[in-house]
Amino acid sequence: NSKVIQTPRYLVKGQGQKAKMRCIPEKGHPVVFWYQQNKNNEFKFLINFQNQEVLQQIDMTEKRFSAECPSNSPCSLEIQSSEAGDSALYLCASSLNYNNQAPLFGEGTRLSVL
Amino acid sequence: GDSVTQTEGQVALSEEDFLTIHCNYSASGYPTLFWYVQYPGEGPQLLFRASRDKEKGSSRGFEATYDKGTTSFHLRKASVQESDSAVYYCALSDRGFASALTFGSGTKVIPCLP
Repeated sequence: NSKVIQTPRYLVKGQGQKAKMRCIPEKGHPVVFWYQQNKNNEFKFLINFQNQEVLQQIDMTEKRFSAECPSNSPCSLEIQSSEAGDSALYLCASSLNYNNQAPLFGEGTRLSVL
Repeated sequence: GDSVTQTEGQVALSEEDFLTIHCNYSASGYPTLFWYVQYPGEGPQLLFRASRDKEKGSSRGFEATYDKGTTSFHLRKASVQESDSAVYYCALSDRGFASALTFGSGTKVIPCLP
């Protein structure tokens, strides 16, 4: 019953290929987060937005990862040249823009890089 | 930096047993604390949150009390059911609405027939 919609659910790419996934946040939520959950169930924060503006991002994101949240379009996360180590569950979450909010997660896109 | 420690990686117990999952945190500010549950093939779902000392969160028979003195937010349920089979994550946020969540390592709950 998640109201954060992520597509596709599964994505299979070869090494060096581009991988792109999309997220439609919950209606009325201006803040969007992307996380990577690895096979050991560890979460890594990648980037977040408020409306179209990047708030924070980790160093890794600046190199092969790119993300955007254009107005009136789904948010997206793209990996320019996939590596085997990028295989993971990519989770999008959205929230309201005031304190103590609990982010609402989508079901994720599971990326497998062969 | 912030951290969340869950000492139990996996808990196997009989149905109707009492469940406790320990969560201790370390944060520089006054964090908001969360419990999320993740079922296979799905994204994390919020169980509940607490943002003040002694505040109790509860949902679906689960509960936890924010304890600033012991920096803990232990999850408890009086009678575990087969449907509670999932991975449970304690998490915190301490820098406002744009702050990424810091997650614990997760605890897998495995209810067994008595």
